[in-house]
Amino acid sequence: EIVLTQSPGTLSLSPGERATLSCGASQSVSSSYLAWYQQKPGQAPRLLIYGASSRATGIPNRFSGSGSGTDFTLTISRLEPEDFAVYYCQQYGSSPGLITFGPGTKVDIK
Amino acid sequence: QLQLQESGPRLVKPSETLSLTCTVSGGSISSSTYFWVWIRQPPGKGLEWIGSISYSGSTYYSPSLKSRVTISVDTSKNQFSLKLRSVTAADTAVYFCARHTNFGPPNYIDYWGQGTLVTVSS
Repeated sequence: EIVLTQSPGTLSLSPGERATLSCGASQSVSSSYLAWYQQKPGQAPRLLIYGASSRATGIPNRFSGSGSGTDFTLTISRLEPEDFAVYYCQQYGSSPGLITFGPGTKVDIK
Repeated sequence: QLQLQESGPRLVKPSETLSLTCTVSGGSISSSTYFWVWIRQPPGKGLEWIGSISYSGSTYYSPSLKSRVTISVDTSKNQFSLKLRSVTAADTAVYFCARHTNFGPPNYIDYWGQGTLVTVSS
């Protein structure tokens, strides 16, 4: 079973700054099955990035994903006030049907 | 626009069975291109996948919960359901139903229900 780790646990930044979030996998993950989600308090998560680097419908281009193998990155180029939230990476298919989430990175206002 | 809505008891006693249903509207559950998924989130914690089901009834469960979980589908009602047996306080969480694509790669979760808080307490 693949374990996902995320760093840092909390990222304190100011609006306008760049955010770089990391997701690491205990074994190599197919990029096709690596996704990122944003969750705000009291809400369901929202798909941001799928296939490691493709933006979901309606997601602003300040969000970008990259990486391969065991190391993946979500970058927010310039933080907007609405971007302060928790971000989760997720992978699929290390075993048939298996879905795994990382523990999350909280991006909060400095 | 696809919508998913969780329903079921919000309070369950320890050792009893937690039962939730997800009603899908705005689209058919009877598609081989999607899995239907349950995910939970304990208060203040991260997301945990519980299990998935296809429209034909093929199931996949989290290894850590497999012994206590059953997920079923009712295509006539456009619903899928979760049963979690022998619950304890550790099962207190917001439970989400969701749709996971199966036509990839790539695959991902594209629609979520709003979530429902289920509390395990006597």
